[in-house]
Amino acid sequence: ILNVEQSPQSLHVQEGDSTNFTCSFPSSNFYALHWYRWETAKSPEALFVMTLNGDEKKKGRISATLNTKEGYSYLYIKGSQPEDSATYLCAHSSNTGKLIFGQGTTLQVKP
Amino acid sequence: GAGVSQSPSNKVTEKGKDVELRCDPISGHTALYWYRQSLGQGLEFLIYFQGNSAPDKSGLPSDRFSAERTGGSVSTLTIQRTQQEDSAVYLCASSYAGLAPNEQYFGPGTRLTVT
Repeated sequence: ILNVEQSPQSLHVQEGDSTNFTCSFPSSNFYALHWYRWETAKSPEALFVMTLNGDEKKKGRISATLNTKEGYSYLYIKGSQPEDSATYLCAHSSNTGKLIFGQGTTLQVKP
Repeated sequence: GAGVSQSPSNKVTEKGKDVELRCDPISGHTALYWYRQSLGQGLEFLIYFQGNSAPDKSGLPSDRFSAERTGGSVSTLTIQRTQQEDSAVYLCASSYAGLAPNEQYFGPGTRLTVT
């Protein structure tokens, strides 16, 4: 994998459903993996920065895992709420902090 | 405290005109990044500043694009002789240092439309 790839591209769920997205990234020369949430008309907001293989991070109902050896990360949202509707971006960074982003997963949570 | 600010929020310009986009990073943040999102594309890295120096300009798409940073603070991205393919949302981000894995704090972006 040369680029950052995210799947699915978009997702529609009902309020209360749990969901997850996938981010694949180059496993060679790994430095850090970032997750951002980008709501319409707002700035992208950092969710997690992960560096260690096997890392798991949690913020409220949102959690993420990291596998640097195989080059993937999962983002989980438990009990989705309408306010979770946004585009979720994954990016890997070099030691300068330069971010290489995937295309994002757009989540729509219906009440 | 104040976040990253960008101006203008929207800019419509005619093809061939020059435009300047401004970014005010969070005070004390030494690293500053410019990205853009073209229609249907992901966020794309343009340039990185550490202080007033730009050690990585690899994402600038052509020599019509340039950027500078003064006083270790404000940055300006200039696009000369704009083309329709320059239409995009231009985002600025800042962080404490250029050393990952610091979080980057993003501004609200400038939506550029070239007619």
